[in-house]
Amino acid sequence: LAKTTQPISMDSYEGQEVNITCSHNNIATNDYITWYQQFPSQGPRFIIQGYKTKVTNEVASLFIPADRKSSTLSLPRVSLSDTAVYYCLVGGYKAAGNKLTFGGGTRVLVKP
Amino acid sequence: NAGVTQTPKFQVLKTGQSMTLQCAQDMNHEYMSWYRQDPGMGLRLIHYSVGAGITDQGEVPNGYNVSRSTTEDFPLRLLSAAPSQTSVYFCASSYDSSGRHEQFFGPGTRLTVL
Repeated sequence: LAKTTQPISMDSYEGQEVNITCSHNNIATNDYITWYQQFPSQGPRFIIQGYKTKVTNEVASLFIPADRKSSTLSLPRVSLSDTAVYYCLVGGYKAAGNKLTFGGGTRVLVKP
Repeated sequence: NAGVTQTPKFQVLKTGQSMTLQCAQDMNHEYMSWYRQDPGMGLRLIHYSVGAGITDQGEVPNGYNVSRSTTEDFPLRLLSAAPSQTSVYFCASSYDSSGRHEQFFGPGTRLTVL
């Protein structure tokens, strides 16, 4: 199962774009890359998922280079309510043990 | 749909006591899992199940048992509680274990072991 590495924390200001990069050097062919957001005292919730190139939805964009060894979550024009921990999760069909494990996450603090 | 439900929301145990954390989902998901989250830390996988009757160990299984007799329910049992098991426990479910489908998380159970 691909291990992920993310920065521990990032600070930003309201209205700025926040980019969080996740490294997953041993990603397997069938692995998808998924990002979750977690607010204090709540369970994580799904933000976005991708396999390659770029994916965009109403809250974020996900950029995945051709070698897929990393991915970048982009949060446009953040607000105070985007302060949370963001997790990168990499897993694929019938991956070793069928386990879906999380890395340490990136704590994003948005300042006014 | 209620999604993923967990009971209780809070629990205080004494060292050596046993208890069961309940988790249920109404989305007919095959994959269910239990995570623990210590203060300021990420989520660590305890046990998981890819379907009724099938369970396996995650990263930190010691001190916990699970069973999956139905698709809907996935209880987590603490055999003999220890202070090191003080944590927030999250149950999650997904359509399958492929990683291609969103995991839905319950609200968590905050456990304190004295």
